[in-house]
Amino acid sequence: DSGVTQTPKHLITATGQRVTLRCSPRSGDLSVYWYQQSLDQGLQFLIHYYNGEERAKGNILERFSAQQFPDLHSELNLSSLELGDSALYFCASSVSWAADTQYFGPGTRLTVL
Amino acid sequence: SQQGEEDPQALSIQEGENATMNCSYKTSINNLQWYRQNSGRGLVHLILIRSNEREKHSGRLRVTLDTSKKSSSLLITASRAADTASYFCATDRGGYQKVTFGIGTKLQVIP
Repeated sequence: DSGVTQTPKHLITATGQRVTLRCSPRSGDLSVYWYQQSLDQGLQFLIHYYNGEERAKGNILERFSAQQFPDLHSELNLSSLELGDSALYFCASSVSWAADTQYFGPGTRLTVL
Repeated sequence: SQQGEEDPQALSIQEGENATMNCSYKTSINNLQWYRQNSGRGLVHLILIRSNEREKHSGRLRVTLDTSKKSSSLLITASRAADTASYFCATDRGGYQKVTFGIGTKLQVIP
Protein backbone atom coordinates (compact mmCIF):
# COMPACT_ATOMS: atom_id res chain seq x y z
CA ASP A 1 0.00 0.00 0.00
CA SER A 2 1.58 3.25 -1.18
CA GLY A 3 -0.52 5.49 1.04
CA VAL A 4 -2.03 7.23 -1.99
CA THR A 5 -5.76 6.76 -2.38
CA GLN A 6 -7.86 7.23 -5.46
CA THR A 7 -11.60 7.14 -5.87
CA PRO A 8 -13.53 5.73 -7.52
CA LYS A 9 -11.83 2.48 -8.56
CA HIS A 10 -13.99 2.04 -11.60
CA LEU A 11 -16.15 4.44 -13.53
CA ILE A 12 -18.37 3.64 -16.49
CA THR A 13 -20.04 6.49 -18.25
CA ALA A 14 -21.28 7.63 -21.64
CA THR A 15 -19.76 9.87 -24.27
CA GLY A 16 -20.35 13.55 -23.67
CA GLN A 17 -20.49 13.17 -19.90
CA ARG A 18 -18.28 14.73 -17.25
CA VAL A 19 -16.54 12.91 -14.40
CA THR A 20 -14.34 13.82 -11.46
CA LEU A 21 -11.52 11.63 -10.23
CA ARG A 22 -10.18 12.17 -6.76
CA CYS A 23 -6.75 11.61 -5.27
CA SER A 24 -5.44 11.88 -1.72
CA PRO A 25 -1.64 11.98 -1.52
CA ARG A 26 0.48 10.30 1.12
CA SER A 27 0.56 12.12 4.41
CA GLY A 28 3.20 14.83 4.18
CA ASP A 29 3.55 14.79 0.40
CA LEU A 30 3.00 18.17 -1.22
CA SER A 31 3.18 17.16 -4.88
CA VAL A 32 0.47 15.42 -6.85
CA TYR A 33 0.88 14.16 -10.41
CA TRP A 34 -1.78 12.85 -12.76
CA TYR A 35 -1.10 10.29 -15.50
CA GLN A 36 -3.18 8.59 -18.14
CA GLN A 37 -2.43 5.04 -19.22
CA SER A 38 -4.26 3.64 -22.22
CA LEU A 39 -4.21 -0.03 -23.11
CA ASP A 40 -0.66 -1.17 -23.86
CA GLN A 41 0.61 2.39 -23.62
CA GLY A 42 3.12 3.98 -21.35
CA LEU A 43 2.17 6.56 -18.84
CA GLN A 44 1.27 9.92 -20.30
CA PHE A 45 1.97 12.73 -17.89
CA LEU A 46 -0.97 15.08 -17.57
CA ILE A 47 -0.26 17.63 -14.86
CA HIS A 48 1.72 18.30 -11.68
CA TYR A 49 0.60 20.32 -8.67
CA TYR A 50 2.76 21.34 -5.79
CA ASN A 51 1.22 22.73 -2.61
CA GLY A 52 -1.85 23.93 -4.45
CA GLU A 53 -0.14 25.44 -7.46
CA GLU A 54 0.21 24.06 -10.96
CA ARG A 55 3.89 23.32 -11.67
CA ALA A 56 4.03 21.48 -14.96
CA LYS A 57 1.66 20.54 -17.70
CA GLY A 58 1.96 17.63 -20.07
CA ASN A 59 -0.32 16.23 -22.73
CA ILE A 60 -3.50 17.32 -21.00
CA LEU A 61 -6.46 18.03 -23.23
CA GLU A 62 -8.39 21.27 -22.89
CA ARG A 63 -11.42 19.17 -21.91
CA PHE A 64 -9.49 18.06 -18.83
CA SER A 65 -8.72 20.19 -15.83
CA ALA A 66 -7.32 19.60 -12.39
CA GLN A 67 -6.79 21.33 -9.11
CA GLN A 68 -5.16 20.73 -5.76
CA PHE A 69 -7.03 21.87 -2.68
CA PRO A 70 -5.69 23.38 0.56
CA ASP A 71 -5.85 19.97 2.24
CA LEU A 72 -3.62 18.76 -0.66
CA HIS A 73 -6.08 16.35 -2.17
CA SER A 74 -6.51 16.72 -5.90
CA GLU A 75 -9.26 16.29 -8.42
CA LEU A 76 -9.04 15.62 -12.14
CA ASN A 77 -12.09 16.70 -14.10
CA LEU A 78 -12.75 15.15 -17.49
CA SER A 79 -15.54 16.64 -19.58
CA SER A 80 -17.17 16.03 -22.95
CA LEU A 81 -15.89 12.49 -22.69
CA GLU A 82 -14.98 10.56 -25.81
CA LEU A 83 -14.45 6.85 -26.35
CA GLY A 84 -10.71 7.47 -26.56
CA ASP A 85 -10.66 8.80 -23.02
CA SER A 86 -11.16 5.27 -21.72
CA ALA A 87 -8.01 4.53 -19.76
CA LEU A 88 -6.48 4.03 -16.37
CA TYR A 89 -5.89 7.31 -14.59
CA PHE A 90 -3.22 7.33 -11.93
CA CYS A 91 -2.22 9.91 -9.47
CA ALA A 92 1.10 9.88 -7.71
CA SER A 93 2.53 11.95 -4.92
CA SER A 94 5.99 12.91 -3.80
CA VAL A 95 7.45 14.84 -0.94
CA SER A 96 8.73 17.90 -2.75
CA TRP A 97 8.39 19.78 -6.03
CA ALA A 98 11.54 18.14 -7.37
CA ALA A 99 10.16 14.84 -8.52
CA ASP A 100 12.14 12.17 -6.78
CA THR A 101 10.37 8.98 -5.86
CA GLN A 102 6.74 9.06 -6.80
CA TYR A 103 4.21 6.96 -4.93
CA PHE A 104 1.37 5.81 -7.11
CA GLY A 105 -2.24 5.26 -6.22
CA PRO A 106 -4.14 2.18 -7.40
CA GLY A 107 -5.71 4.08 -10.28
CA THR A 108 -9.20 4.77 -11.54
CA ARG A 109 -10.32 2.75 -14.54
CA LEU A 110 -12.53 4.90 -16.72
CA THR A 111 -14.67 3.29 -19.39
CA VAL A 112 -16.52 5.55 -21.78
CA LEU A 113 -19.30 3.80 -23.72
CA SER B 1 8.09 10.84 -28.34
CA GLN B 2 8.93 9.41 -24.97
CA GLN B 3 12.11 10.56 -23.26
CA GLY B 4 12.79 7.07 -22.04
CA GLU B 5 12.45 4.06 -24.30
CA GLU B 6 12.71 0.58 -22.89
CA ASP B 7 14.06 -2.36 -24.78
CA PRO B 8 12.98 -5.06 -25.29
CA GLN B 9 9.25 -4.36 -25.30
CA ALA B 10 8.58 -7.89 -24.09
CA LEU B 11 10.75 -10.54 -22.50
CA SER B 12 9.94 -14.09 -21.51
CA ILE B 13 12.35 -16.13 -19.39
CA GLN B 14 12.41 -19.20 -17.17
CA GLU B 15 12.33 -18.88 -13.42
CA GLY B 16 15.86 -18.66 -12.06
CA GLU B 17 17.27 -16.91 -15.10
CA ASN B 18 18.41 -13.30 -15.11
CA ALA B 19 16.39 -10.61 -16.85
CA THR B 20 17.96 -7.53 -18.36
CA MET B 21 16.01 -4.52 -19.53
CA ASN B 22 17.43 -1.42 -21.13
CA CYS B 23 16.34 2.19 -21.22
CA SER B 24 17.61 4.88 -23.55
CA TYR B 25 16.87 8.55 -23.26
CA LYS B 26 17.51 11.67 -25.29
CA THR B 27 18.40 14.62 -23.08
CA SER B 28 20.58 15.03 -20.01
CA ILE B 29 18.96 13.96 -16.78
CA ASN B 30 19.07 14.61 -13.07
CA ASN B 31 18.18 11.07 -12.15
CA LEU B 32 16.64 7.95 -13.59
CA GLN B 33 14.17 5.71 -11.84
CA TRP B 34 12.82 2.25 -12.46
CA TYR B 35 9.26 1.33 -11.60
CA ARG B 36 7.32 -1.88 -11.74
CA GLN B 37 3.65 -2.34 -12.56
CA ASN B 38 1.63 -5.45 -12.03
CA SER B 39 -1.20 -5.77 -14.51
CA GLY B 40 -3.67 -2.91 -14.10
CA ARG B 41 -2.19 -1.78 -10.80
CA GLY B 42 -0.32 1.33 -9.74
CA LEU B 43 3.39 1.65 -10.33
CA VAL B 44 5.79 0.78 -7.55
CA HIS B 45 9.12 2.53 -7.25
CA LEU B 46 12.07 0.14 -7.40
CA ILE B 47 15.25 2.15 -7.50
CA LEU B 48 16.59 5.61 -8.26
CA ILE B 49 20.02 6.29 -9.69
CA ARG B 50 21.41 9.80 -9.87
CA SER B 51 23.33 11.17 -12.81
CA ASN B 52 26.63 11.04 -10.90
CA GLU B 53 26.19 7.37 -10.03
CA ARG B 54 27.14 4.48 -12.29
CA GLU B 55 25.70 1.47 -10.53
CA LYS B 56 23.25 0.75 -7.76
CA HIS B 57 21.99 -2.41 -6.11
CA SER B 58 18.84 -3.24 -4.23
CA GLY B 59 18.30 -6.88 -3.33
CA ARG B 60 18.14 -8.82 -6.60
CA LEU B 61 18.08 -5.62 -8.63
CA ARG B 62 21.10 -4.02 -10.22
CA VAL B 63 20.85 -0.78 -12.14
CA THR B 64 23.56 0.80 -14.23
CA LEU B 65 23.65 4.22 -15.77
CA ASP B 66 25.85 5.36 -18.62
CA THR B 67 25.29 9.08 -19.12
CA SER B 68 27.68 9.21 -22.08
CA LYS B 69 25.45 6.73 -23.93
CA LYS B 70 22.27 8.07 -22.35
CA SER B 71 21.24 4.61 -21.32
CA SER B 72 20.44 2.56 -18.27
CA SER B 73 19.90 -1.10 -17.64
CA LEU B 74 17.94 -2.99 -15.01
CA LEU B 75 19.09 -6.49 -14.16
CA ILE B 76 16.91 -8.81 -12.13
CA THR B 77 18.89 -11.79 -10.95
CA ALA B 78 17.47 -15.23 -10.15
CA SER B 79 14.05 -14.24 -11.42
CA ARG B 80 10.85 -15.53 -9.83
CA ALA B 81 7.36 -15.96 -11.21
CA ALA B 82 6.32 -13.08 -8.96
CA ASP B 83 8.62 -10.77 -10.95
CA THR B 84 6.19 -11.02 -13.86
CA ALA B 85 5.19 -7.41 -14.47
CA SER B 86 5.87 -4.41 -16.67
CA TYR B 87 8.96 -2.39 -15.90
CA PHE B 88 9.25 1.30 -16.69
CA CYS B 89 12.14 3.68 -16.63
CA ALA B 90 11.45 7.30 -15.78
CA THR B 91 13.79 10.18 -16.40
CA ASP B 92 13.89 13.35 -14.38
CA ARG B 93 15.54 16.40 -15.91
CA GLY B 94 15.37 18.29 -12.65
CA GLY B 95 13.64 21.48 -11.59
CA TYR B 96 10.05 21.73 -12.63
CA GLN B 97 10.59 19.48 -15.62
CA LYS B 98 8.20 16.60 -15.59
CA VAL B 99 9.32 13.05 -15.02
CA THR B 100 8.90 11.15 -18.27
CA PHE B 101 8.07 7.49 -18.41
CA GLY B 102 8.88 5.08 -21.20
CA ILE B 103 6.41 2.58 -22.62
CA GLY B 104 7.80 -0.25 -20.54
CA THR B 105 9.16 -3.76 -20.87
CA LYS B 106 6.70 -6.54 -20.24
CA LEU B 107 8.49 -9.32 -18.39
CA GLN B 108 7.07 -12.81 -18.09
CA VAL B 109 8.81 -15.27 -15.81
CA ILE B 110 7.71 -18.83 -16.48
CA PRO B 111 7.71 -21.15 -13.45
